[in-house]
Amino acid sequence: DGGITQSPKYLFRKEGQNVTLSCEQNLNHDAMYWYRQDPGQGLRLIYYSQIVNDFQKGDIAEGYSVSREKKESFPLTVTSAQKNPTAFYLCASSIQANPYNEQFFGPGTRLTVL
Amino acid sequence: GQQVMQIPQYQHVQEGEDFTTYCNSSTTLSNIQWYKQRPGGHPVFLIQLVKSGEVKKQKRLTFQFGEAKKNSSLHITATQTTDVGTYFCAGVTLGKIIFGKGTRLHILP
Repeated sequence: DGGITQSPKYLFRKEGQNVTLSCEQNLNHDAMYWYRQDPGQGLRLIYYSQIVNDFQKGDIAEGYSVSREKKESFPLTVTSAQKNPTAFYLCASSIQANPYNEQFFGPGTRLTVL
Repeated sequence: GQQVMQIPQYQHVQEGEDFTTYCNSSTTLSNIQWYKQRPGGHPVFLIQLVKSGEVKKQKRLTFQFGEAKKNSSLHITATQTTDVGTYFCAGVTLGKIIFGKGTRLHILP
């Protein structure tokens, strides 16, 4: 089965702690993305990566960090510097970082910071 | 900044009624994509429109791209309970994809 996996589905953390969200894809896609979704809001781009060992900031990168050491993996770290980290986080991938390519989304991780 | 506005934010329809959501951009788009997100789920790609005035159909769904490539619409004929969810447009301009806030569709039985 090809697809994108995100784990865990639900995550709880105490305020002030860093937390890393996992995203793995076996679609052999070059590009990967992280979005944040808040109630009543669209998807806001946090970071994206066009290729291994390269990544770019999106519209709301402050308080987040990423790495892309392997093609299949694009973990997102929510740091303590992120002021409102509670949200639904979606990882996506596309064949290439071409805006004409459709994006395939993972099931998401709902992060709650207490 | 560049924005993609989507209206309405919410829509309640009786099962069997039609539904339309509209997407408007402040700038000319190179293409537009539509996604559907079921309650508790993740967005799933529906379709992409590229040409000015383009119209595409998928069974009961009709997608249109405006002549000026600044607006788009999704129309569902005779809604069914399986249509429940949030429909997002995603416009592409200057190489950047911008998602609208979505229209949440509720179906009343």
